[in-house]
Amino acid sequence: DAGITQSPRHKVTETGTPVTLRCHQTENHRYMYWYRQDPGHGLRLIHYSYGVKDTDKGEVSDGYSVSRSKTEDFLLTLESATSSQTSVYFCATSAGEGETDTQYFGPGTRLTVL
Amino acid sequence: GQNIDQPTEMTATEGAIVQINCTYQTSGFNGLFWYQQHAGEAPTFLSYNVLDGLEEKGRFSSFLSRSKGYSYLLLKELQMKDSASYLCAGMDSNYQLIWGAGTKLIIKP
Repeated sequence: DAGITQSPRHKVTETGTPVTLRCHQTENHRYMYWYRQDPGHGLRLIHYSYGVKDTDKGEVSDGYSVSRSKTEDFLLTLESATSSQTSVYFCATSAGEGETDTQYFGPGTRLTVL
Repeated sequence: GQNIDQPTEMTATEGAIVQINCTYQTSGFNGLFWYQQHAGEAPTFLSYNVLDGLEEKGRFSSFLSRSKGYSYLLLKELQMKDSASYLCAGMDSNYQLIWGAGTKLIIKP
């Protein structure tokens, strides 16, 4: 599996505060993704990146921004957290297109917004 | 629209066989993935099918019928450690994964 770490692993914050989640990979994968996972829903894509400084929106991007200044790091920022953003956030990476597009997941960050 | 349907929960007995079905509707198709997710953990890759037919990997097999928009994951010789959620995901023409909500598999002794 790809070496993917996420930090922090758990976070409790208050409504209206900014929050940044970090994803770090050691596999030199080109693609990186941020998903959220909520009960009763499939994984939902927030944003993804296809290279350094190249990012695009996913299905549920409102209220989130991302940045990728290095191949190995992908940051997810909640500018002003809301209770609806309480969720488990997973980062994933993949090498490229085709069969190698298998996505490998980090351990997740459990975020609670009070 | 794009959609993945799979049963919410299934129960099976240790040592038995279970089949988890998935139907998909995607804009274009670049393959069908199955992942396993234990409670509180990350999803881990199980299988990928892009051509029709059965792919076998040890106790796990995955089947795809593109004409029917259908896949299944077959788990043989069930073990207690197979208790987990199984996620089906279709890859669309933009190489984005569309995920089902997952099937929680409960294994009973």
